[in-house]
Parts: sequence; structure tokens; C-alpha cells
Amino acid sequence: QVQLQESGPGLVKPSETLSLTCTVSGGSISNYYWSWIRQSANKQLEWIGRIFSSGNTNYNPSLKSRVTMSVDTSKNQFSLKMNSVTAADTAVYYCARDGDFGDYDPFDSWGQGTLVTVSS
Amino acid sequence: DIQLTQSPSSLPASVGDRVTITCRASQSIYNYLNWYQQRPGKAPKLLLYAASRLQSGVPSRFSGSGSGTDFTLTISGLQPEDFATYYCQQSFNNPWTFGRGTKVEIK
Repeated sequence: QVQLQESGPGLVKPSETLSLTCTVSGGSISNYYWSWIRQSANKQLEWIGRIFSSGNTNYNPSLKSRVTMSVDTSKNQFSLKMNSVTAADTAVYYCARDGDFGDYDPFDSWGQGTLVTVSS
Repeated sequence: DIQLTQSPSSLPASVGDRVTITCRASQSIYNYLNWYQQRPGKAPKLLLYAASRLQSGVPSRFSGSGSGTDFTLTISGLQPEDFATYYCQQSFNNPWTFGRGTKVEIK
């Protein structure tokens, strides 16, 4: 059973860069897409983007200008950077695996989530 | 972006009830529709994918149907652990989007 764990600062100042890492255990990071999803205080879920183990990325167009994802297969980790953050970026951030179900790729494994607050 | 409209937003129910949650997409998503359950303080958990396919380990009282723009999640025989919030999500078009959730609460 694959497990995911987010790590990174819980507090980021406005205009600075949010950086999070997701460590995958119990399975290989290879040959899957890995996503970042956030949930704001009103419980709305928002997909941020995803990265394949080869480094190929897909980003949400609404966040694309501020987001960069990377992957380190040697460490079984993938990462998220979001620049120029504002209070609107305050949320619980989840990493998740895009499952491989043939033509379908639902999020079948999730990290526990980490709260990131943007405040000075 | 494809909008997903869930109804109702809140659903009072009792143990043993059969409950149905609806998810409507703003355009056809064929059957690229997934359902998740989220308990307080926990990450969402995948229940069904491809509109009607049960994820491994999920009880058979959960079922899904629909295609195109209209989908339903049904829980047949609500159990105490099923009081939670349920989200639909489409994986047909970037960006993947979620419904706003339906909270199944104790009547």
C-alpha cells in the first residue's frame, strides 16, 4: 500500500514562495502521475497540477504562471513551488497519486495533508 | 473549466437509509467521473471511478451511475461511518475539477 507524506513550512509570508515536498513510500514513484491538490477553508478542492515520473507536467491554467513541479526519482519524492503567494493561497495542501486504471486516473492514494498559512 | 454542481449540499439521514447524491457537469464528460468520501480532518478517499466502478476495498453499498452530464452516487443502507462529505471530480478535461461537496449528516 503506497503512502504519501507532505512536508514543508506551515507559514509563508505574502509575496514569497511556497515550497512543499511529497515523499512516497511503500511503492515506486515511477510510471505514475503525481498531483497536488489544495482545500481552502470553505472546503472547496482545487487541483493544482501533476507531474509524471519522467518530469512531464500538466498545470491548472489558473495557477500555471506561479507553479513549478519537480520530481526526484532517486528519493521517491516530488515537489511543488508556488511563487508570489497571497492570503488566498492559504489552504490544506495534499499530494496524491493519479491511479492507473486504463483510461482512467482518479486520485487513488492521498497524503494526510499539510496546512499552509500565508501571513506576515 | 468544467463546472460540477452537486446536490444537495447537505443531506440529513438516518442509519439504514438509502441516500442519493447528484453531480451535474457543465458539459459532457462521458464517464470520467470519480467520487470521494472525506471524513473530518482526513484526506479524501476514492470510492468509485469511471462513474460506476467500485474502488478495491470499498463496501458494495456504495454505487454510482450516469454518463454524459448527469451522475449519481447511492449509498444503500447508510452506516454510522458513512456520515461524511462526498465530492465528485471529473478527469475528462484539464483542469480536473471537483464539486462543492455534499455533507451527509445525522438527522
